[in-house]
Amino acid sequence: EIVLTQSPGTLSLSPGERATLSCRASQSVSSNYLVWYQHKPGQAPRLLIYGASIRATGIPDRFSGTGSGTDFTLTISRLESEDSAVYYCQQYGDSPGTFGQGTKVEIK
Amino acid sequence: QVFLVQSGAEVKKPGASVKVSCKASGYTLTDHGISWVRQAPGQGLEWVGWISADNGYTSYLQKLQGRVAITTDTATSTAYMELRSLRSDDTAVYYCARHRYCSSSSCYFDLWGRGTLVTVSS
Repeated sequence: EIVLTQSPGTLSLSPGERATLSCRASQSVSSNYLVWYQHKPGQAPRLLIYGASIRATGIPDRFSGTGSGTDFTLTISRLESEDSAVYYCQQYGDSPGTFGQGTKVEIK
Repeated sequence: QVFLVQSGAEVKKPGASVKVSCKASGYTLTDHGISWVRQAPGQGLEWVGWISADNGYTSYLQKLQGRVAITTDTATSTAYMELRSLRSDDTAVYYCARHRYCSSSSCYFDLWGRGTLVTVSS
């Protein structure tokens, strides 16, 4: 199975700063079948990005996804307090679909 | 608005079974497949299994084969995940999630439930 490694484990940034989250795959993710989710405690996870770079419906344009092959990045261009959450990547190009272990974003 | 509403927390003894429900609200359950994903304490997310929308085909994580079953009840728009012969390492929050798109291998999800904590303890 494809192992996804996310880094860093935790990001602590101030409002207005840029957050850069990495997701590295143990082998190439076919067709860039990679998504990002946002997960806040006690809430349902929320789809942010699919196909590595396509924003889901209703997602602000300060969230962007880039990358291909084995290296993918989620960028939050101007952090807001509501962005405090754990962010997960997931690949759906191989069976079983697998998730990264998450990056926690803390807003100072 | 669309939701997936999950049943409440469960506490089970080792060897017992648990059946978690996931009710679709605001859309027709059979229009989309459903997966179950779990998260053990301090661990990442792990896909458990799925049921397809069109023909009810199921697929499960290999290590859970024989212990897990995913079903749907179209009359009540509810999906179920049953896990048998529970062990302590099955302790986790179990999420249901609606399929947005599936490749030939796996799917991603555009709607999730809030999760159901299943605790396995003697």
